[in-house]
Amino acid sequence: GQSLEQPSEVTAVEGAIVQINCTYQTSGFYGLSWYQQHDGGAPTFLSYNGLDGLEETGRFSSFLSRSDSYGYLLLQELQMKDSASYFCAHALYSSYKLIFGSGTRLLVRP
Amino acid sequence: DAGITQSPRHKVTETGTPVTLRCHQTENHRYMYWYRQDPGHGLRLIHYSYGVKDTDKGEVSDGYSVSRSKTEDFLLTLESATSSQTSVYFCAIRRGDSPQEKLFFGSGTQLSVL
Repeated sequence: GQSLEQPSEVTAVEGAIVQINCTYQTSGFYGLSWYQQHDGGAPTFLSYNGLDGLEETGRFSSFLSRSDSYGYLLLQELQMKDSASYFCAHALYSSYKLIFGSGTRLLVRP
Repeated sequence: DAGITQSPRHKVTETGTPVTLRCHQTENHRYMYWYRQDPGHGLRLIHYSYGVKDTDKGEVSDGYSVSRSKTEDFLLTLESATSSQTSVYFCAIRRGDSPQEKLFFGSGTQLSVL
């Protein structure tokens, strides 16, 4: 199948750096994307890695290594508003289906 | 706001009744999706559409049907609602110039089946 595995919860301190990992058992997909969802809200797109390596967007960076079947989202200079759930997602070649991991709940403490 | 409207926003219904959720977009995008979200399961794809009258099943399609007779509307129908279909339902679109991994979501519909 297309399962993507994420830790269920991560806790970090305001101002710190946190890494949320995503591992998968699927080959033959286009890339890996990340979404953020605050409680009661809709998922919003954060970043996309179409190629291996690091993509940086402000305080957020995302990384993909196909050889290691692994990706991560890196959040720097954590703020209280970063407390949310984060999902990785990918789609197989010749498929329009975007499949999500079960999500990581990030709690940022003062 | 990606020009997506879901209706209704909240719905309470009884087991065995039919329910239809509507997703409306204003930008004429080809790809539309229905997901459900439950605690511990993240977002699971129910059905998706890649054009008018072109639809396909996702991961959890049993008990659901969809229709897309117009580009702007994608309807999700629960023919006979069950308590296991209590969930938050999200519609999403893919903009034509974006990778398929970049979706824009509506605000969701909270459905409770009693």
